[in-house]
Amino acid sequence: KQEVTQIPAALSVPEGENLVLNCSFTDSAIYNLQWFRQDPGKGLTSLLLIQSSQREQTSGRLNASLDKSSGRSTLYIAASQPGDSATYLCAVINNNNDMRFGAGTRLTVKP
Amino acid sequence: DAMVIQNPRYQVTQFGKPVTLSCSQTLNHNVMYWYQQKSSQAPKLLFHYYDKDFNNEADTPDNFQSRRPNTSFCFLDIRSPGLGDAAMYLCATSRTGYEQYFGPGTRLTVT
Repeated sequence: KQEVTQIPAALSVPEGENLVLNCSFTDSAIYNLQWFRQDPGKGLTSLLLIQSSQREQTSGRLNASLDKSSGRSTLYIAASQPGDSATYLCAVINNNNDMRFGAGTRLTVKP
Repeated sequence: DAMVIQNPRYQVTQFGKPVTLSCSQTLNHNVMYWYQQKSSQAPKLLFHYYDKDFNNEADTPDNFQSRRPNTSFCFLDIRSPGLGDAAMYLCATSRTGYEQYFGPGTRLTVT
């Protein structure tokens, strides 16, 4: 059964710092990987989707990488802002359409 | 324009009283998912529909049922809610293998 782990569980940084969030998964036979943002009490907002054949995706200050063979993905956030404070969730989609989530990294960016 | 709509946003039910949560989508996606998310935990997949094919997770309690009468709508029925079923319930949709779009969630309270 696919297991997804995110490290660290929580992270606090001063505004302007670059940071990396980590995600690992146990079964490399994934279809794709998706990063989400979740604000308290809200639903999930998709940030980036990486197909299994891709190595990375970029959107604005966000860059996500995927190393399928080693079961790892990272989300890089450049020049962090207080508005980036949220929980970031990594999820993998297996070939049978089900999606498994990590527990998330709770990010706080201090002004 | 809202693409994945969940109603109601907040639902209060009594212990043991059946409740139905609703999800609709305007994306014409063939896959629809229901997740349960408890406080500070990752979303947990309950089941998903691939077109009309129902896929139940092995550890989803029998107390949870789902219906998908057409492409646009999907319902989550909780036959006899217990206190442990209080959570945020998230609906998501996707085309096969592509990114998932989430609704805003329904927060269920059981009194």
